[in-house]
Amino acid sequence: DAGITQSPRHKVTETGTPVTLRCHQTENHRYMYWYRQDPGHGLRLIHYSYGVKDTDKGEVSDGYSVSRSKTEDFLLTLESATSSQTSVYFCAISGLGGETQYFGPGTRLLVL
Amino acid sequence: GQQVMQIPQYQHVQEGEDFTTYCNSSTTLSNIQWYKQRPGGHPVFLIQLVKSGEVKKQKRLTFQFGEAKKNSSLHITATQTTDVGTYFCAGRSGGGADGLTFGKGTHLIIQP
Repeated sequence: DAGITQSPRHKVTETGTPVTLRCHQTENHRYMYWYRQDPGHGLRLIHYSYGVKDTDKGEVSDGYSVSRSKTEDFLLTLESATSSQTSVYFCAISGLGGETQYFGPGTRLLVL
Repeated sequence: GQQVMQIPQYQHVQEGEDFTTYCNSSTTLSNIQWYKQRPGGHPVFLIQLVKSGEVKKQKRLTFQFGEAKKNSSLHITATQTTDVGTYFCAGRSGGGADGLTFGKGTHLIIQP
């Protein structure tokens, strides 16, 4: 498996609290992605990054922000968590945009 | 925007039977990729198809890319319990950094 870690792996939080998920890679890949996975919806792109400090919105970006200050780290922040953001979050990396993506182990987030 | 439809959503088979999942895109694709996700796991890259009409095999798995580069299929011969999981197709239509559009996946359930 590619060198991708996500932290935390599991989190329970309350509605209205901020939450930050971290993705860390050791592959020096340029592209990094955040997806959420929900039953019946497959994988949906939240935000992506094509370089340090270069980020853009994906399909379901409302309520989420991201930051990438270093090549190896891509942070996903839920400014004020809602129950609809209960999901499994996957980070992925890619050497080239649109090419093979390598996924992290995922973070299970429960918002009560 | 680009849409990738995948059918069926669920497929129950007896061990030893064949299995096929189909993927259709609303736009012409530059490449299509297939991923497998085991229950509780993360998506793992299987293969990438690039050429019109391309066929690739991996042991009991056969992948096809349509002549018009808008559809693809994955066929598994003589399923085994280790094939259980969700199979996703993912297509790329442009040169954007946002990468891939994933289908919703086909859940393969195998009955011994």
